[in-house]
Amino acid sequence: DAKTTQPNSMESNEEEPVHLPCNHSTISGTDYIHWYRQLPSQGPEYVIHGLTSNVNNRMASLAIAEDRKSSTLILHRATLRDAAVYYCIANSGGSNYKLTFGKGTLLTVNP
Amino acid sequence: GAVVSQHPSWVICKSGTSVKIECRSLDFQATTMFWYRQFPKQSLMLMATSNEGSKATYEQGVEKDKFLINHASLTLSTLTVTSAHPEDSSFYICSARRGASRDPDTQYFGPGTRLTVL
Repeated sequence: DAKTTQPNSMESNEEEPVHLPCNHSTISGTDYIHWYRQLPSQGPEYVIHGLTSNVNNRMASLAIAEDRKSSTLILHRATLRDAAVYYCIANSGGSNYKLTFGKGTLLTVNP
Repeated sequence: GAVVSQHPSWVICKSGTSVKIECRSLDFQATTMFWYRQFPKQSLMLMATSNEGSKATYEQGVEKDKFLINHASLTLSTLTVTSAHPEDSSFYICSARRGASRDPDTQYFGPGTRLTVL
């Protein structure tokens, strides 16, 4: 897996957009970019993934830089239920599709 | 879709006993299942990867004789912590990979099992 760098923590206000950055400067051409989040005392939850193009789903949007060395997870309107640790992972599916979790970003949402 | 369950959700046991944790993919067949461990305030650490019908592949530093993994079917994997000790107390999480072409790498996680060894 390519090494990823995320801020340790971020804060947002409820109903405002949140942009969570991730740097993955050593990403290879076949590495997908995955985002998972983990609420307290729960297993991680898949959020979104992409390869080159920006992606949207019901939970979030993923904006991938043209050189693919960074990406941003966008929560369009943060809610209190979005408070979680967000993990950005870049891997290619080799090594039996293992995911290597870093420390992630702890997102706090203020009411 | 893509729901993974774990049982039990929490367990307390005495030191020296063995504990079995089940991981099931409820609405899909999992080509690969993974077992993670998470200590308080830390990130997930992969313990092992298992494919149905094959022996599990353990990460470096994980004792395969202590953490027995059985992946008997495409919907069930079990982790048995043998002769558990207090230092094995942790949050154990499984995940399953569907292997579909549209999301080859996506893992779907169970809710976790909190193990406390007294």
